[in-house]
Amino acid sequence: LAKTTQPISMDSYEGQEVNITCSHNNIATNDYITWYQQFPSQGPRFIIQGYKTKVTNEVASLFIPADRKSSTLSLPRVSLSDTAVYYCLVGDEVSGGYQKVTFGTGTKLQVIP
Amino acid sequence: EPEVTQTPSHQVTQMGQEVILRCVPISNHLYFYWYRQILGQKVEFLVSFYNNEISEKSEIFDDQFSVERPDGSNFTLKIRSTKLEDSAMYFCASSVLSSYNEQFFGPGTRLTVL
Repeated sequence: LAKTTQPISMDSYEGQEVNITCSHNNIATNDYITWYQQFPSQGPRFIIQGYKTKVTNEVASLFIPADRKSSTLSLPRVSLSDTAVYYCLVGDEVSGGYQKVTFGTGTKLQVIP
Repeated sequence: EPEVTQTPSHQVTQMGQEVILRCVPISNHLYFYWYRQILGQKVEFLVSFYNNEISEKSEIFDDQFSVERPDGSNFTLKIRSTKLEDSAMYFCASSVLSSYNEQFFGPGTRLTVL
């Protein structure tokens, strides 16, 4: 599995756009990039997944450059309720099976009023 | 909206006792997982389950652990002889397709071993 590196923590003011970058230098050709969000005492929640270029949904955008060695989760106009830990995961389906999912340490986002 | 449910929400047990943690995955999902999260630490994969057998397991998932899908709706994690270090939040998850498809997590069971 490609190892991921993210900042341990970030602070942002309410209403600002937040960009969290994840580095995955050893990403393999078939690997997808997935982001999860976790609030305290809750299970992780899927946010977004992409393979290349840009993916956008109602919650976030995911930017993936051509070399795919990094990715950036973008949260538009954050609110206090976006305070959470954000995990970047990289991996793929292996023919005949699949890899175990590995969560890194994540990025703890603190939104400040 | 369908969701993964887990019971109990909190389990307290004595060291050496057996515990069974229960999960009801989303009904049309085919893949099931258990994770644990020790307080303040990252989410750790334990095991994945598909077609009534274990597909992958981590180093944590030793002989003290077992999983079962006894009746087509429940998915259980058994810890045979609990240790103090098993104290953690245990999350069940399920997905329609394999592990890198979107996984839906339950609310967790907090296990406290005394």
